[in-house]
Amino acid sequence: GDSVTQMEGPVTLSEEAFLTINCTYTATGYPSLFWYVQYPGEGLQLLLKATKADDKGSNKGFEATYRKETTSFHLEKGSVQVSDSAVYFCALTEGWGGSYIPTFGRGTSLIVHP
Amino acid sequence: EPEVTQTPSHQVTQMGQEVILRCVPISNHLYFYWYRQILGQKVEFLVSFYNNEISEKSEIFDDQFSVERPDGSNFTLKIRSTKLEDSAMYFCASTPGLEGSTEAFFGQGTRLTVV
Repeated sequence: GDSVTQMEGPVTLSEEAFLTINCTYTATGYPSLFWYVQYPGEGLQLLLKATKADDKGSNKGFEATYRKETTSFHLEKGSVQVSDSAVYFCALTEGWGGSYIPTFGRGTSLIVHP
Repeated sequence: EPEVTQTPSHQVTQMGQEVILRCVPISNHLYFYWYRQILGQKVEFLVSFYNNEISEKSEIFDDQFSVERPDGSNFTLKIRSTKLEDSAMYFCASTPGLEGSTEAFFGQGTRLTVV
């Protein structure tokens, strides 16, 4: 079945550092790929998405490119802020006819120090 | 912007009691989902619901769980006899049900604490 593998956390960075959170996936077809963010005590918010190979999703300075050849969707940000501290989940959906069930990775906790 | 809403935000219940978690999906969406996240762990799929019936369910979704769409707007998850290990955050989600509309919209979650 489908699966998503994320790098283990926590990732601890200083403010303005460069961020990469690795994500690879296994799917039978052509999934859509997502990054969700969960701030402390809150729910899941969609951060960005990409629906086909070579698409780049971006939002709030975060970017991720859908790489079919390496089955990856790594999350990057050039300069992190303390407010970016959260848990980041890579996810995919695959389906047809309107039924798409998200499959999540384990989540990667990001801690940004001032 | 339309959103998925869940109530209550936090529920505390005694072991063995029944709980009902409520969700109002986005109004024109056709597929509805429940997920569970045990503290600090993975977000796990429980069940999907379409056209007033379960379309898929995971191994976690055993006989103590049930889902229902009692009216045109609400989507509920019932846990018949709660166990300590049911303590988790429960997320409801919905999708439009259109070919190619692959994004799931999630609610803020209900934190269930079983004591």
